[in-house]
Amino acid sequence: AQSVSQHNHHVILSEAASLELGCNYSYGGTVNLFWYVQYPGQHLQLLLKYFSGDPLVKGIKGFEAEFIKSKFSFNLRKPSVQWSDTAEYFCAVNQYGNKLVFGAGTILRVKS
Amino acid sequence: DTGVSQDPRHKITKRGQNVTFRCDPISEHNRLYWYRQTLGQGPEFLTYFQNEAQLEKSRLLSDRFSAERPKGSFSTLEIQRTEQGDSAMYLCASSLGRTGDLNTGELFFGEGSRLTVL
Repeated sequence: AQSVSQHNHHVILSEAASLELGCNYSYGGTVNLFWYVQYPGQHLQLLLKYFSGDPLVKGIKGFEAEFIKSKFSFNLRKPSVQWSDTAEYFCAVNQYGNKLVFGAGTILRVKS
Repeated sequence: DTGVSQDPRHKITKRGQNVTFRCDPISEHNRLYWYRQTLGQGPEFLTYFQNEAQLEKSRLLSDRFSAERPKGSFSTLEIQRTEQGDSAMYLCASSLGRTGDLNTGELFFGEGSRLTVL
């Protein structure tokens, strides 16, 4: 079965700092990869996704992620975080086209 | 609001009681998923439906758990003889197509139903 590892459980950054959240998955075949975000008090929502093509994927709110097949990684980045980016971020991999398997999540707190 | 709605948002029950959660997906979505999330963990897959057919169940879904989606619309998740280990957030999500479909596979989540078993 596939699994997803997120390396950092808690990250604290100051506004304008750069962000990189790690995500590794265990599956050697074709994968679809996702980042979801959950803002305080809100439901999970899609940030970005990778299916094929350009391994650098751009999502909403200035986020991007890079798929590196050789490293089984799909790290999330943002050049300059804002206080409003405070949220929990989940990496997920599509399994057999029928469901998503999620990582444990990373809680990001941005200090203003 | 045309998103996924779940009811109740919070449920406190005593061990051994039965509880039922309801999920109303986005109306045109064929697929409906149930996930469970405990503190410090990401959502864990429980089961999913395509229309009214339950196509997969996780090993996490013991025989005390049952899910239905009559007529392919709303879904219910029932937990019988609750145990303290059942305390979690139960999330419902829906999608138009398979998660492997680029344009129609996005999962839309509800806000969840939090269960506390005393």
